[in-house]
Amino acid sequence: AQSVAQPEDQVNVAEGNPLTVKCTYSVSGNPYLFWYVQYPNRGLQFLLKYITGDNLVKGSYGFEAEFNKSQTSFHLKKPSALVSDSALYFCADSPSGGYQKVTFGTGTKLQVIP
Amino acid sequence: NAGVTQTPKFQVLKTGQSMTLQCAQDMNHEYMSWYRQDPGMGLRLIHYSVGAGITDQGEVPNGYNVSRSTTEDFPLRLLSAAPSQTSVYFCASSYRRGANYGYTFGSGTRLTVV
Repeated sequence: AQSVAQPEDQVNVAEGNPLTVKCTYSVSGNPYLFWYVQYPNRGLQFLLKYITGDNLVKGSYGFEAEFNKSQTSFHLKKPSALVSDSALYFCADSPSGGYQKVTFGTGTKLQVIP
Repeated sequence: NAGVTQTPKFQVLKTGQSMTLQCAQDMNHEYMSWYRQDPGMGLRLIHYSVGAGITDQGEVPNGYNVSRSTTEDFPLRLLSAAPSQTSVYFCASSYRRGANYGYTFGSGTRLTVV
């Protein structure tokens, strides 16, 4: 079985400050982890993924995520937040490498304050 | 190349009515799926298909039917709408080519059952 958890319903950060959106996972075998972003009244957009390789994954819009096996975490980060980053962020995993049956976390609302 | 197209964008149904949510993709993706999004619950998988003629149940399949007669289309049918089916529905398609894969979402259908 696999699952992801997002412990924070909302994260507030000042514009220009670094941001972190947390995600922890519990999977059997190798995890395949993803981050998606949802802007209001829009579908989900892919940000980045981790399959194997470097623990630091770089994605779209300046976001990156660090895979930490010992802490079973895959936190999303950005060095300097923009107001336009305000959105709903979903962590997700899949037992088959992102191809099928992606399981999503409950989402974290990011609010960047001007 | 339109990606994943969902219709309608909005729909209001009366309890007991039936309807079909349409989903079409033009990327020749073999895998398609339907999710519903509810506040505080993230996205939950309803049904999915790994190819034409093949469908299977996800996490919350009750009250919904699907079929996949072509690679392009994956309609979701509500047989007898209930207020509990008020939600935002997302269709997604994905592919895998070796280590590369992608997951594309439609823009969603907001359904209200009264």
